[in-house]
Amino acid sequence: GEDVEQSLFLSVREGDSSVINCTYTDSSSTYLYWYKQEPGAGLQLLTYIFSNMDMKQDQRLTVLLNKKDKHLSLRIADTQTGDSAIYFCAGDTGRRALTFGSGTRLQVQP
Amino acid sequence: SAVISQKPSRDICQRGTSLTIQCQVDSQVTMMFWYRQQPGQSLTLIATANQGSEATYESGFVIDKFPISRPNLTFSTLTVSNMSPEDSSIYLCSGHEGETQYFGPGTRLLVL
Repeated sequence: GEDVEQSLFLSVREGDSSVINCTYTDSSSTYLYWYKQEPGAGLQLLTYIFSNMDMKQDQRLTVLLNKKDKHLSLRIADTQTGDSAIYFCAGDTGRRALTFGSGTRLQVQP
Repeated sequence: SAVISQKPSRDICQRGTSLTIQCQVDSQVTMMFWYRQQPGQSLTLIATANQGSEATYESGFVIDKFPISRPNLTFSTLTVSNMSPEDSSIYLCSGHEGETQYFGPGTRLLVL
């Protein structure tokens, strides 16, 4: 099955860019996703990328996909304190169920 | 985007009892799933809720412990049976349509 790994913690200052990284083992995922989970809340779908794309930009969010290295990243421009949360990357399994990374806790310092 | 609601949002239960969690989607979705998020952990897939037939369970999860129903394309239930403190988790349902998978807010379960 798919293994998805993320670094556990990232701290940035308000206004800086944040880059959250994810590596995965199964290259057969059709789509790769980024979700945000705020304390006490469910998962919010932020963005996703089709596996044959290299990059997708959506307002402050930029997703980069390197299929050769099986590496996915999420860049948040002009990071705000409201961006403080846990970010999960996930890949679909072909059955549409998702395999999640361990999550990266983003802390934004004012 | 699909909006998914869950009931109850949280509960505190005694060991040995059972709890049924309801998941309602505001539009028809092809696929629905149930996930578990143990404290401080990531999400793990419990099962795929199949409409009109038995759910498909992942390794480590069995129907006797987590019976699931899906009577139509917008509704599903998950029961956590004969609960123990190890079942204390957040249980999330999701709906998948097209390219996207949306999640409910989760049910926070504490078993004493």
